[in-house]
Amino acid sequence: EVQLLQSGAEVKKPGSSVKISCKFSGNTFGDYYIHWVRRAPGRGLEWVGLVEPEEGHTVYAESLEGRVTLSADTSIDTAYMQLRSLTSEDTAVYFCATEKWLPRSYFFDPWGPGTLVIVSS
Amino acid sequence: QSALAQPASVSGSPGQSITISCTGTSIDVGEYDYVTWYQHHPGQVPKLIIYDVSKRPSGVSRRFSGSKSGSTASLSISGLRAEDEADYFCSSYTDKFTWVFGGGTRLTVL
Repeated sequence: EVQLLQSGAEVKKPGSSVKISCKFSGNTFGDYYIHWVRRAPGRGLEWVGLVEPEEGHTVYAESLEGRVTLSADTSIDTAYMQLRSLTSEDTAVYFCATEKWLPRSYFFDPWGPGTLVIVSS
Repeated sequence: QSALAQPASVSGSPGQSITISCTGTSIDVGEYDYVTWYQHHPGQVPKLIIYDVSKRPSGVSRRFSGSKSGSTASLSISGLRAEDEADYFCSSYTDKFTWVFGGGTRLTVL
């Protein structure tokens, strides 16, 4: 059974960057895409992007492209999301989630517990 | 990529049935049968309840069902229970190799 463990809450200043992690266990890391999804207070879910751990292939949401970098370290089965030039609009809970790609499942399950990022001066 | 359109809220009494719509375009919901529904209780982890438009994962109640017509997908919940009160989000794969979520629907069980 796949399990995801995310890093702890972060408080950041506007204009700074944040990097959060998602530790994968319970199956073969390379058989899954790792997606990132966020939910800001009072708002809905927003897809951030995905990383394919083995080759490092990434796809980003247009709204965040240029500010976000997704990566993965297959030696420790961990994925990362870095978001730069933070504003208060980036305050949200950030979830990682898996999608099986062999064969491709086209849904996200399971999800990590979420990492709260607060951007405040 | 604009969010898929969902009603902001729906409500129903225990035992009743409700339907939540999710309207996309020809590049997402209308193009692919990769529509997914998630239940999200704020503060908890989103839960997969429907995938591939109408398939239920193991362990999800038969009270939840999904369908699609053209560019509009729908989630139906029958026999409403108090524990169904949550936010519901649709999601679709798109022709840009990306994913898009709906704005979310808050279900209130009266």
